[in-house]
Amino acid sequence: GENVEQHPSTLSVQEGDSAVIKCTYSDSASNYFPWYKQELGKGPQLIIDIRSNVGEKKDQRIAVTLNKTAKHFSLHITETQPEDSAVYFCAAMKTSYDKVIFGPGTSLSVIP
Amino acid sequence: NAGVTQTPKFQVLKTGQSMTLQCAQDMNHNSMYWYRQDPGMGLRLIYYSASEGTTDKGEVPNGYNVSRLNKREFSLRLESAAPSQTSVYFCASRPLQGPSYNEQFFGPGTRLTVL
Repeated sequence: GENVEQHPSTLSVQEGDSAVIKCTYSDSASNYFPWYKQELGKGPQLIIDIRSNVGEKKDQRIAVTLNKTAKHFSLHITETQPEDSAVYFCAAMKTSYDKVIFGPGTSLSVIP
Repeated sequence: NAGVTQTPKFQVLKTGQSMTLQCAQDMNHNSMYWYRQDPGMGLRLIYYSASEGTTDKGEVPNGYNVSRLNKREFSLRLESAAPSQTSVYFCASRPLQGPSYNEQFFGPGTRLTVL
């Protein structure tokens, strides 16, 4: 079955710097890759996603890149702000199935 | 819309006790899911339901049962709780169509401690 690895497990950056979180997946049939943000005491919430027919997607300060050949995808946050502090999960899914496999998460701290 | 609601928010059980975690969604979504979240292990799927009347096992189903009571409600039952089931449990739902087709909407979670 699908396995998703995520690095780093913790990340601290100064406010205004960029943050990068990297994930790898094992099942080449996966075709949808969402990123979820989980704030303290809350459930995860989708922040951006990318499909396998696209190499990059951007939404304001957040961007995601996908390398299908290497089975890597990454989340990039620019001009980080304290409210970006949270746990971020990457995930992989075959849209013909109903299951999403999540990575173990990255705890991001943005230091003012 | 309340979205996805879960009850209770917190629960402490003794080993061997049983309990049911409740989940409801008011977004008319077809698919519903139960996950557990443990430190360093992300979100692991326990059971899911693609539609009313159907349920399927996820990665870690042992020790749990589920019921898809109707389209809105999906409950998770622990028949005989064990300390290894101490975790935070999240319910989620997903629509079958529309712009949010692949997005999972999560509830606020239930923090369960088994002594």
